Amino acid sequence: KAGVTQTPRYLIKTRGQQVTLSCSPISGHRSVSWYQQTPGQGLQFLFEYFSETQRNKGNFPGRFSGRQFSNSRSEMNVSTLELGDSALYLCASSIRLAGVEETQYFGPGTRLLVL
Amino acid sequence: AQSVTQPDIHITVSEGASLELRCNYSYGATPYLFWYVQSPGQGLQLLLKYFSGDTLVQGIKGFEAEFKRSQSSFNLRKPSVHWSDAAEYFCAVGRYTGRRALTFGSGTRLQVQP
Repeated sequence: KAGVTQTPRYLIKTRGQQVTLSCSPISGHRSVSWYQQTPGQGLQFLFEYFSETQRNKGNFPGRFSGRQFSNSRSEMNVSTLELGDSALYLCASSIRLAGVEETQYFGPGTRLLVL
Repeated sequence: AQSVTQPDIHITVSEGASLELRCNYSYGATPYLFWYVQSPGQGLQLLLKYFSGDTLVQGIKGFEAEFKRSQSSFNLRKPSVHWSDAAEYFCAVGRYTGRRALTFGSGTRLQVQP
């Protein structure tokens, strides 16, 4: 079974631009979560999507948004990029069944550099 | 709110030596606990997880971890380290109602000396 895939793997943008990152979950997984990893703040939860609805949200400004499609693929968008948005953005997928202990499986990440 | 502390930022061990990475969590109820490993430039790979039951859990690559409720700890151990174990290790905690919103520790970077 293929793992979580993220595209693109590397991205360079300039301040003020916007960016869209894509995540395809493991087949059968319907929940997608996004995390930001930076040297200063470490790994931080951004948001989770299930059934095309945002279910949980971390403490990030409104410039960070996401969506999920009917095939469970997800995108996250960052508008008006700032230098501090330079990070590795990780996507994780899980099955999401009520009452079921589940595990998140992570993709390789998209490394975003904002100049 | 839950939190995770990994007290050791950097650890160096000799190949073949035993390893213990420390993890302490703060959470009011029984947590879901995870250890992930990250090689340079890569995503996170799950080593092992604890949800309930036996407090000693076995994972991949010969790793194990023990959940100690009284100490709020979930330390990762390996009896004999291999050079390929050099990586960064992250402990994470999830809540029942938000187990897909993991809180991670700051990580421990493991260096293995030949």
